[in-house]
Amino acid sequence: QKEVEQNSGPLSVPEGAIASLNCTYSDRGSQSFFWYRQYSGKSPELIMSIYSNGDKEDGRFTAQLNKASQYVSLLIRDSQPSDSATYLCAVESAGGTSYGKLTFGQGTILTVHP
Amino acid sequence: DTAVSQTPKYLVTQMGNDKSIKCEQNLGHDTMYWYKQDSKKFLKIMFSYNNKELIINETVPNRFSPKSPDKAHLNLHINSLELGDSAVYFCASSQNGQGEQFFGPGTRLTVL
Repeated sequence: QKEVEQNSGPLSVPEGAIASLNCTYSDRGSQSFFWYRQYSGKSPELIMSIYSNGDKEDGRFTAQLNKASQYVSLLIRDSQPSDSATYLCAVESAGGTSYGKLTFGQGTILTVHP
Repeated sequence: DTAVSQTPKYLVTQMGNDKSIKCEQNLGHDTMYWYKQDSKKFLKIMFSYNNKELIINETVPNRFSPKSPDKAHLNLHINSLELGDSAVYFCASSQNGQGEQFFGPGTRLTVL
């Protein structure tokens, strides 16, 4: 089982729609979760962090966390062509020698078409 | 203002050579990381340093040796380069070794 697994893409949505990106993780002790966006040929860019169960909204982005189900998601409302990128879910390990270690999922490619 | 910078941006070299990649951050962070992103875009941590001390050392060949002269700099030296070392190497930094990490622009290494 992969430590961090994202829904396989690519995901294609029309402009203005809601894009839903999902991620599950195996480390029950993890407390910190992040979403990064990576445009082709560029570096990962942090767009959301979430630490508590529930929803966290930032502009058109909403991160959702359910620690009991070991599930984190990212919703992008009113999707724009400029949102087309690879979205990476990252989970921070808790304690021990892996303190502060981020484990990334394989990424989901999102395409927003006009 | 560049927050996390890396040099060089591109590196093309022959098998068996030794090369170095340099990273600098001006965010005032105390923890720095090296990641490798392979051709399938999978991003995996290699090393992390906190205040010049090695904290994370993943299963990486001994040919890879990180060095942190101070908390704002982290370099990566690779000996005897192999074809499989071809990848994009990203440097990142964070505060207190946890939370949000900020990435540099990456170094694309091609081993011929």
